[in-house]
Amino acid sequence: AQSVTQLDSQVPVFEEAPVELRCNYSSSVSVYLFWYVQYPNQGLQLLLKYLSGSTLVKGINGFEAEFNKSQTSFHLRKPSVHISDTAEYFCAVIPNNAGNMLTFGGGTRLMVKP
Amino acid sequence: ETGVTQSPTHLIKTRGQQVTLRCSSQSGHNTVSWYQQALGQGPQFIFQYYREEENGRGNFPPRFSGLQFPNYSSELNVNALELDDSALYLCASSGGSKLDTQYFGPGTRLTVL
Repeated sequence: AQSVTQLDSQVPVFEEAPVELRCNYSSSVSVYLFWYVQYPNQGLQLLLKYLSGSTLVKGINGFEAEFNKSQTSFHLRKPSVHISDTAEYFCAVIPNNAGNMLTFGGGTRLMVKP
Repeated sequence: ETGVTQSPTHLIKTRGQQVTLRCSSQSGHNTVSWYQQALGQGPQFIFQYYREEENGRGNFPPRFSGLQFPNYSSELNVNALELDDSALYLCASSGGSKLDTQYFGPGTRLTVL
């Protein structure tokens, strides 16, 4: 079985400041990693995913994440946030030996202040 | 190309009742997954349908059941509703490949009183 831990339930940050949202996972097999964003009253939208290759992954809206196998982490970063980035962010994994059922972390609420 | 749609958007039921939630998958997708998102938590996988067959199930009791139709739309049925079933129910559609991106609908907010 696998699990995902998002270490911060809320992250307040000022507009134009950098941000990092932390994600750690636990799994007995290799995993594929994902970050999704959920805006208020909406479904989830894929930000980026790591399947293989370069450990630095770039996604939409200026976000990027780095896969660190030794640390079992997949932290999400953005160098300069906007008010419109205020949302809930979810890290998720799919084990490489099973179907494509996503296991999600508990989420991090990013609150961008003016 | 239309995205994933879900109906209804909101629903209020009482304990013991039954409910059916509906999902229309994105054009060209043959796989539908259902997730339950309790307030303040991440989504939890309920089950997945691939070409009208159940293709995986999470840790949910049998009173959670589903169907997928020939046009790949899907239903989630929950019998004997409990208060803890109150949640946002999300469906996601994808292609048949394991790593195809899952596209999520806006969800159905179910409240059980």
